[in-house]
Amino acid sequence: DAGVTQSPTHLIKTRGQQVTLRCSPISGHKSVSWYQQVLGQGPQFIFQYYEKEERGRGNFPDRFSARQFPNYSSELNVNALLLGDSALYLCASSLEVEADTQYFGPGTRLTVL
Amino acid sequence: AQKVTQAQTEISVVEKEDVTLDCVYETRDTTYYLFWYKQPPSGELVFLIRRNSFDEQNEISGRYSWNFQKSTSSFNFTITASQVVDSAVYFCALSENDGNNRLAFGKGNQVVVIP
Repeated sequence: DAGVTQSPTHLIKTRGQQVTLRCSPISGHKSVSWYQQVLGQGPQFIFQYYEKEERGRGNFPDRFSARQFPNYSSELNVNALLLGDSALYLCASSLEVEADTQYFGPGTRLTVL
Repeated sequence: AQKVTQAQTEISVVEKEDVTLDCVYETRDTTYYLFWYKQPPSGELVFLIRRNSFDEQNEISGRYSWNFQKSTSSFNFTITASQVVDSAVYFCALSENDGNNRLAFGKGNQVVVIP
């Protein structure tokens, strides 16, 4: 079975632009979470969606938004990009909304110039 | 608020040596879940092990073993007989029982296995 997939793999944007990252969970998984990993640090939680509802939000500005579709895939949007948004964005999926192991995709590396 | 501390930043070992990674966590919950993930240079986080707070039994899975001690809030991870393919960053993570699957990660341990 396919694991979590993410697109694109790499992305280069300039300050002030907007970006959309995409994630497809493991088949049968209903929960998708997004994490930001800055170089040299551990991943930081951004959002979790379960059955199209937001179930958790990390300490990120309103420039970050996400949604989940009926097929459980998800998009992460970041508006008004800043240099500090340059990071690896990781998507993870799980069967259940809580107390469940998350499986991660390969990530999207975003560079903001 | 949940917090995970991994004190060591980079650990170098010679192939076939054992390596132990320390993890200390903070949580106010009585039910929580602890994880270890591996991040090779490719960047993808690979799930290794999981332990529930209500199960303190320590186990061995192949070359991996872990030592979970609630009394000291520690969840240490050992790789036995290390191999070059074990070179990666290892993250300890904590999830609380609060209605979502949010993971709080430590800063990670860079393990370098020297052939």
